[in-house]
Amino acid sequence: AQKVTQAQTEISVVEKEDVTLDCVYETRDTTYYLFWYKQPPSGELVFLIRRNSFDEQNEISGRYSWNFQKSTSSFNFTITASQVVDSAVYFCALSEAQRDDKIIFGKGTRLHILP
Amino acid sequence: DAGITQSPRHKVTETGTPVTLRCHQTENHRYMYWYRQDPGHGLRLIHYSYGVKDTDKGEVSDGYSVSRSKTEDFLLTLESATSSQTSVYFCAISEAPRFTSTDTQYFGPGTRLTVL
Repeated sequence: AQKVTQAQTEISVVEKEDVTLDCVYETRDTTYYLFWYKQPPSGELVFLIRRNSFDEQNEISGRYSWNFQKSTSSFNFTITASQVVDSAVYFCALSEAQRDDKIIFGKGTRLHILP
Repeated sequence: DAGITQSPRHKVTETGTPVTLRCHQTENHRYMYWYRQDPGHGLRLIHYSYGVKDTDKGEVSDGYSVSRSKTEDFLLTLESATSSQTSVYFCAISEAPRFTSTDTQYFGPGTRLTVL
């Protein structure tokens, strides 16, 4: 079955702290894609990253980094030196090559960065 | 930013009335999607389209229909709105199907629908 679990419903950290958002997925496919999206208070959904199942290399983009580990079926997202503007709901998502055109989203983690 | 607009952005309607939401894109992308977002459920796929007049159901399609007569427009219709359809509706587009390297979905700004 195709499933994405974001066990952390809500997290609060003080500004400048590092924070990691967990994402665990389930899939039977060997070819799949993982995504992270950000939804700030304004409501739009912002694409952050896409990673395919054959590329386990970690990625860093500024203060954002992603750790993909197939052995634990996890695709965790870390924000380093968090800022108030990082406050948002973050969604992890999965798409399987065998299930054309469908992305399954996790329920999201609401992140509060406290000044 | 991907050129995606949704209309209306906000709508309040009464139970039993028909409602149509419109998604318009200027990217000429082949794939278009409708999602609904509800607290505790994240985003759930309602219907999607893989080309003009080609559509298929998602995981929560009951009570909804869609149409795509032009590449740029994807309409979502609630034939007889119910209170359970109160939600935020997002349209998304992508250039390519899941298994290609260019696969990424970009989302519109959302439509907040309230059914009284």
